Amino acid sequence: GESVGLHLPTLSVQEGDNSIINCAYSNSASDYFIWYKQESGKGPQFIIDIRSNMDKRQGQRVTVLLNKTVKHLSLQIAATQPGDSAVYFCADSGGSNYKLTFGKGTLLTVNP
Amino acid sequence: DTGVSQNPRHKITKRGQNVTFRCDPISEHNRLYWYRQTLGQGPEFLTYFQNEAQLEKSRLLSDRFSAERPKGSFSTLEIQRTEQGDSAMYLCASSSVGQGSEKLLFGSGTQLSVL
Repeated sequence: GESVGLHLPTLSVQEGDNSIINCAYSNSASDYFIWYKQESGKGPQFIIDIRSNMDKRQGQRVTVLLNKTVKHLSLQIAATQPGDSAVYFCADSGGSNYKLTFGKGTLLTVNP
Repeated sequence: DTGVSQNPRHKITKRGQNVTFRCDPISEHNRLYWYRQTLGQGPEFLTYFQNEAQLEKSRLLSDRFSAERPKGSFSTLEIQRTEQGDSAMYLCASSSVGQGSEKLLFGSGTQLSVL
């Protein structure tokens, strides 16, 4: 079946470096994508979203890039800080107007 | 309003017992969702409401699972005759349809442990 997945399960970076977390999706009907951050014992925290009519969107220290040709999504975090350490999930609407499908997540570890 | 609130944060129960979780969404949000998350996995959709109407429940895991949102505000998720495989984090989220965003905002979840 179609699903949202992640290329790498773990990512370790040095404090101050930029981080890039990747996500592949397979549902061609997907028109809305979200990145969430989840810390241990907490619910997913919204980071940034993007619609399929855009290929880039920027927030505070974060940028999401969408490549519809290869069905790839990435989250870039600038000047990564220890507080950025968490599991990051991409989620996909899959053409639905109510349901998000999540991937397994990438564990980001920031070393001081 | 500080966000989506879920109670209890943790629930330990014995197999065969019934449990009920409560979710209070963001007050101006008209949609409310329940998701389940097991260790090492992303959240899995269970059901959702728009106002008081439950519009999708086919993903509820079995007939032991039921959800209500009687007045279109808070919601409850009940699991009857719990099994060890029900142990998971149960997440509630809410969103506001019609304002151009499907952005779901999640609560902190209820961690269920079935012994």
